[in-house]
Amino acid sequence: GESVGLHLPTLSVQEGDNSIINCAYSNSASDYFIWYKQESGKGPQFIIDIRSNMDKRQGQRVTVLLNKTVKHLSLQIAATQPGDSAVYFCAVGNSGGYQKVTFGTGTKLQVIP
Amino acid sequence: DTEVTQTPKHLVMGMTNKKSLKCEQHMGHRAMYWYKQKAKKPPELMFVYSYEKLSINESVPSRFSPECPNSSLLNLHLHALQPEDSALYLCASSPSGGNTEAFFGQGTRLTVV
Repeated sequence: GESVGLHLPTLSVQEGDNSIINCAYSNSASDYFIWYKQESGKGPQFIIDIRSNMDKRQGQRVTVLLNKTVKHLSLQIAATQPGDSAVYFCAVGNSGGYQKVTFGTGTKLQVIP
Repeated sequence: DTEVTQTPKHLVMGMTNKKSLKCEQHMGHRAMYWYKQKAKKPPELMFVYSYEKLSINESVPSRFSPECPNSSLLNLHLHALQPEDSALYLCASSPSGGNTEAFFGQGTRLTVV
């Protein structure tokens, strides 16, 4: 089965600094990767995704990097803001598992004003 | 409309009660999901409906019964639940056709007493 984990359960970052949240996965057949943000009392919110034919993708203030060799992905948030405080989940799927993704354990990002 | 709406937001039920959770989306998505999320844990997939047909059942106990009356609605019928079933129940939807981002509702906070 898929095992998805995050290296740090809690990350504290000064406002304005960059944040990096890491995620490791175990299934080499995984080919779709998503980052979600979940604020307290809310459902997960899509941030950015990447497919296995890419190693980098950028969005607004966010970048996802994928290293398939070591089965690792990361989420970089530029100029972290207080509104970025939340739990961040990576989720991993594969084409064979159509619509089924496995969520990682989550990292809580705390932004220090 | 890019929302997934879940009702009720909170539900307290006894172990002998029968209740239903409701989920609605008007984005034209053809895949809908139920997830269960315990405190400080990632969402765990329960059921997936694709084109109104149940396509994935993650070995969920029969006291949880999903129903998809039409492409916009998803229900989760609850009967004879246990206190350990207390959790946040999340509904999500996504376009059909393979792995794509899922849009989550705010969830129903369920407490079984």
